[in-house]
Amino acid sequence: DQQVKQNSPSLSVQEGRISILNCDYTNSMFDYFLWYKKYPAEGPTFLISISSIKDKNEDGRFTVFLNKSAKHLSLHIVPSQPGDSAVYFCAASESGGGADGLTFGKGTHLIIQP
Amino acid sequence: DGGITQSPKYLFRKEGQNVTLSCEQNLNHDAMYWYRQDPGQGLRLIYYSQIVNDFQKGDIAEGYSVSREKKESFPLTVTSAQKNPTAFYLCASSLARTGGLAEAFFGQGTRLTVV
Repeated sequence: DQQVKQNSPSLSVQEGRISILNCDYTNSMFDYFLWYKKYPAEGPTFLISISSIKDKNEDGRFTVFLNKSAKHLSLHIVPSQPGDSAVYFCAASESGGGADGLTFGKGTHLIIQP
Repeated sequence: DGGITQSPKYLFRKEGQNVTLSCEQNLNHDAMYWYRQDPGQGLRLIYYSQIVNDFQKGDIAEGYSVSREKKESFPLTVTSAQKNPTAFYLCASSLARTGGLAEAFFGQGTRLTVV
């Protein structure tokens, strides 16, 4: 059973507009959430994270929102740029990110159109 | 430069052979991990290690083995018992369970193809 779900395999957004990537989780023990960005044939790179004690974390063009009651988080990218085209993975961890690994979603392929 | 290095980038193996994927990090991270990525799938945890000479099975450990003789190194062996070894393998490292830091740094991956 998938504990972290990204229900949109792909998303197409016009350059300059807002990209919103969604992620749902089922494990109520998750308390630390991360977004990774991945280009083809490369390893994922860490983008932004949020602890369950917060509901929003912002870093430049990237903002992550967490709704614990709905077990839902989203990544907003504003404005979207061509270099943002990549696969975005949502990941979750228990106990503040313990060293027993992360549970990843299947990823959303974001395509930024000129 | 600090980082995590996987080698080789591409690897071909004949069916029935074992093969070892290398992963080295100079970030002084305690924890290291191996993930596997298949098309349309998220990253799935194979093995992880929090400290030298200790490692734990992840979600899909069958057909794989690891060792952690040095802090910097965490090689993964794909054995002939692994039924579907063709995949993209990613090694990662992170600080251990301290201060809530969970951002894992990933290597560039190894594409293993069984021929």
